[in-house]
Amino acid sequence: GAVVSQHPSRVICKSGTSVKIECRSLDFQATTMFWYRQFPKQSLMLRATSNEGSKATYEQGVEKDKFLINHASLTLSTLTVTSAHPEDSSFYICSATDRGDQPHHFGDGTRLSIL
Amino acid sequence: DQQVKQNSPSLSVQEGRISILNCDYTNSMFDYFLWYKKYPAEGPTFLISISSIKDKNEDGRFTVFLNKSAKHLSLHIVPSQPGDSAVYFCAASGGAQKLVFGQGTRLTINP
Repeated sequence: GAVVSQHPSRVICKSGTSVKIECRSLDFQATTMFWYRQFPKQSLMLRATSNEGSKATYEQGVEKDKFLINHASLTLSTLTVTSAHPEDSSFYICSATDRGDQPHHFGDGTRLSIL
Repeated sequence: DQQVKQNSPSLSVQEGRISILNCDYTNSMFDYFLWYKKYPAEGPTFLISISSIKDKNEDGRFTVFLNKSAKHLSLHIVPSQPGDSAVYFCAASGGAQKLVFGQGTRLTINP
């Protein structure tokens, strides 16, 4: 089946630093990738949609300059949390799809902890 | 505004019995529904889906039922096994690629 690899699985860093999270589709070409954020015991909240070769689309309330997304190839999308602060601490999960087909395939997530 | 709702945060079922997880939605534009299973510290794994043109889809121990008039879907797992213990999310899609998720239901299968 389709495999999505997300790296790193866990990040702990100081407030003010920038953190990059990678999402790779290993055995298919992902024309679209999605970035979610999940708070404890809550739903997965879509934060942005990343299309290969074009600008990302952000959900309402998401700061574009804080959550930078790059989808430079059909197998890789990156999310950079710039100048991270403790309130950015969360579980971030990416998913990928080929030509928008369902189901979307998810990475294992990144636990981000900002001290 | 929560467009997809799973009103039961947790469910406990005896091994071998049927597990029924419920999901309600409000957006009538949704036309595709999915169930995902999630273990701690892992991403969701796709289980089963159903299109709005159907009212039932079955895959092994898993069956999803869709009641469009009630805007309700359910996932039946029978027989339930200990390995089924996880958090289950229902998700909905409406034309666009985006998925809208419910809050999840934690299923515990007791031996």
